[in-house]
Amino acid sequence: GQQVMQIPQYQHVQEGEDFTTYCNSSTTLSNIQWYKQRPGGHPVFLIQLVKSGEVKKQKRLTFQFGEAKKNSSLHITATQTTDVGTYFCARVGTNAGKSTFGDGTTLTVKP
Amino acid sequence: DGGITQSPKYLFRKEGQNVTLSCEQNLNHDAMYWYRQDPGQGLRLIYYSQIVNDFQKGDIAEGYSVSREKKESFPLTVTSAQKNPTAFYLCASSPRTSGNTIYFGEGSWLTVV
Repeated sequence: GQQVMQIPQYQHVQEGEDFTTYCNSSTTLSNIQWYKQRPGGHPVFLIQLVKSGEVKKQKRLTFQFGEAKKNSSLHITATQTTDVGTYFCARVGTNAGKSTFGDGTTLTVKP
Repeated sequence: DGGITQSPKYLFRKEGQNVTLSCEQNLNHDAMYWYRQDPGQGLRLIYYSQIVNDFQKGDIAEGYSVSREKKESFPLTVTSAQKNPTAFYLCASSPRTSGNTIYFGEGSWLTVV
């Protein structure tokens, strides 16, 4: 099936440093969603991107959708310890069973 | 409060036993899902259902079974045929079948002893 690949798998940063995770697909995506899962918790929806080249911001988080709609990125400026967790991208398909999650990028932040 | 309730949160099972994980939602969502998550890994789809009395296999359905007799409920049975059932199981739902936010329950940890 259609997959989305995320890199890196792990990222360790010092508090205050920036962080970026990338989501790539070999096929054009109709949309991309981002979720965050805190350690021991469950994934929580962050945002959805649907337009080519779209950029959305949530405070220190910036989400981008590539012009070709084959990749997306999540950038966190000046990380804080509250940012720790695993960030997943997901391609949400045309029916319930066609949604595909990336393997996630796990972020750890050293105070 | 509206949401998805999974129970139990922690469950221990002896080898050879079946176990059923409960999932109830009061969000009036049509679609419901079960995902499996192994430590440090992503989400793999076990089963999904788009409407009552209908469900489809996901990517890793072998050794699992589900039912969807009510819109609100989507229980998952982990059968003895599942060779490596120890994992974190996440139930989820979404309002429509196309491009909508997926809401997750808090998950159930299953350990085979």
